[in-house]
Amino acid sequence: TQLLEQSPQFLSIQEGENLTVYCNSSSVFSSLQWYRQEPGEGPVLLVTVVTGGEVKKLKRLTFQFGDARKDSSLHITAAQPGDTGLYLCAGVKGNAGGTSYGKLTFGQGTILTVHP
Amino acid sequence: DAGVIQSPRHEVTEMGQEVTLRCKPISGHDYLFWYRQTMMRGLELLIYFNNNVPIDDSGMPEDRFSAKMPNASFSTLKIQPSEPRDSAVYFCASSHNSGANVLTFGAGSRLTVL
Repeated sequence: TQLLEQSPQFLSIQEGENLTVYCNSSSVFSSLQWYRQEPGEGPVLLVTVVTGGEVKKLKRLTFQFGDARKDSSLHITAAQPGDTGLYLCAGVKGNAGGTSYGKLTFGQGTILTVHP
Repeated sequence: DAGVIQSPRHEVTEMGQEVTLRCKPISGHDYLFWYRQTMMRGLELLIYFNNNVPIDDSGMPEDRFSAKMPNASFSTLKIQPSEPRDSAVYFCASSHNSGANVLTFGAGSRLTVL
């Protein structure tokens, strides 16, 4: 059972375009994380969103957590070739304070290719 | 810090052989995780340790898989005997108690079982 559905699975765009990646679930999560993974490397944590409706910005990347804490989106403005990679969302259950591990469930990922 | 260090980076072996993957977590981190990544199943948690003690091994596929953490700076994931369906990238990650869900991943070990 895939608890977290990411869409689209593949995205190929030109430099300068905007894009949005979605992460949806029927489950409620205590928090949600976004990772970026480059070929031959491990995932790198970009952001954690905790509060329903929360919006976080990281330069040209905007992350939003749904009001019901079941879904999230990642929006990239003016994409650049350096944004190319696999984007993974991961839902966290059972960890309200951060000092104990809450089970992470990863989505299947979105492969983004930005052409110069 | 050099980050999470995994070895080997690539391993090609024949079915039936024993495979041992190694991980050195970030110094001072209390949690260590072993994940497996495949195209079909994505990233799956196999097992995790807290203070060198295995906490949840429900993701370990079967008895052919075993993991140990003899001390705070070293862990192994062993597959014996290996099968072609074990081919995947295996990642080790670690985190600190103060941010248990802030995982730092290693670069992974790509395993191919022929």
